[in-house]
Parts: sequence; structure tokens; C-alpha cells
Amino acid sequence: DAKTTQPNSMESNEEEPVHLPCNHSTISGTDYIHWYRQLPSQGPEYVIHGLTSNVNNRMASLAIAEDRKSSTLILHRATLRDAAVYYCILKQGAQKLVFGQGTRLTINP
Amino acid sequence: GAVVSQHPSWVICKSGTSVKIECRSLDFQATTMFWYRQFPKQSLMLMATSNEGSKATYEQGVEKDKFLINHASLTLSTLTVTSAHPEDSSFYICSAPPGQGNVAFFGQGTRLTVV
Repeated sequence: DAKTTQPNSMESNEEEPVHLPCNHSTISGTDYIHWYRQLPSQGPEYVIHGLTSNVNNRMASLAIAEDRKSSTLILHRATLRDAAVYYCILKQGAQKLVFGQGTRLTINP
Repeated sequence: GAVVSQHPSWVICKSGTSVKIECRSLDFQATTMFWYRQFPKQSLMLMATSNEGSKATYEQGVEKDKFLINHASLTLSTLTVTSAHPEDSSFYICSAPPGQGNVAFFGQGTRLTVV
């Protein structure tokens, strides 16, 4: 499985943008970049995914580097409810999701 | 988005007994479901992949006789922890990919405590 590297933890303030980085230098051409997040005591939830182009949805934006060796999840205006562990995962089609350690995001009021 | 429902949300059982956890896809059919386990402060670890109508595929190091998986229909997969011991206490989570399977949806998880 292609690996991703994320910071263990990050901290931000409420109502400010948050940029969560992910390195995936061994990504293959058919790997999609997925982001999931896990709130305390809950199952993970899908956030966003992309292949080459930047992606936006109601939850977040995904900025993908031109060489695809890194990506950034952007929360435009963090709220306290965004405090969670964020996982960046490479996935091909219907393959299983393999979780790394993720980034624990703390949001300060 | 698609909904995956897991039941029960939490369970406490005595050592040596068996516990069954259900995972249902409520608004889509799932030919494949994934089962994960998560210990405190750790990431999710994939245990097995259940396939409707066939035997489950277990990850290396997971005892198939201890963690029985049944995928009886396109909307239901079950995980039975047999002869549970305190070290089996964990957060168990199921996941199902609808359609072409590019995005996964997760159950809310089951907190198992073995006393």
C-alpha cells in the first residue's frame, strides 16, 4: 500500500482556515487521494477525494500538488465541531482503506 | 450520503462469552463490507473483508476462528467475537462502499468491553 505522511497533531483557532498537509511521494498514477475524519467515539466519515485536480465540496477543499506527491486539506472556517483526527489515504477503486496515524486537529475557541 | 448502521453501539460481556455485532447498509446494497478494530489512541486496523455469498478474507494475524464474519445478504454483515477475553475489548467499526466503491461509509462503531 502506498504510504502517506501527516503531522501527528495541529492546532488552530475557531473561524480561522486550517491547512492539513499530507505527503505521498510514492503515489501511483491510479491512486486517488482520500480524506476521512474521525470525531471522538465515532466511526470515520468521508470528507473529500481527488485524483489530479483540486476539489471543493461543502465540507472542505482539496489542493493537490502538480506532481501529486503531496496534498492539502483545507477547512475554510474551522468550528469546534471540526476537532477530529484527519486521515489522508491513497486508494484505488474499490480497494480497502488502510489508515495511517492521521493528524489530530484541535480547535481553540 | 449513504448510511451504514451498526448495532449495538456498546456492549459489555463476560469473559468467555460470544458477542455479535451487526452492520447494515440502509439505503444501498453492499457486496463487500470491511471490519476494523481500533484500540484507544490508535488508528483503525483492518481485520477482514466480508463478501456477500462467500467466505470472508482475513488480514494477516487476525484469527478467523475467533472473529467470525458472515455476510448473509447484500445489506447485512455480522462480526461475532467468540470466547471473548479482556484483550478483545476495543472499538469495532464496519464500512461499506456503495456503487463502484470509490468512497466508503462507516458505521458509528461498537465499543466492546469484556470483563
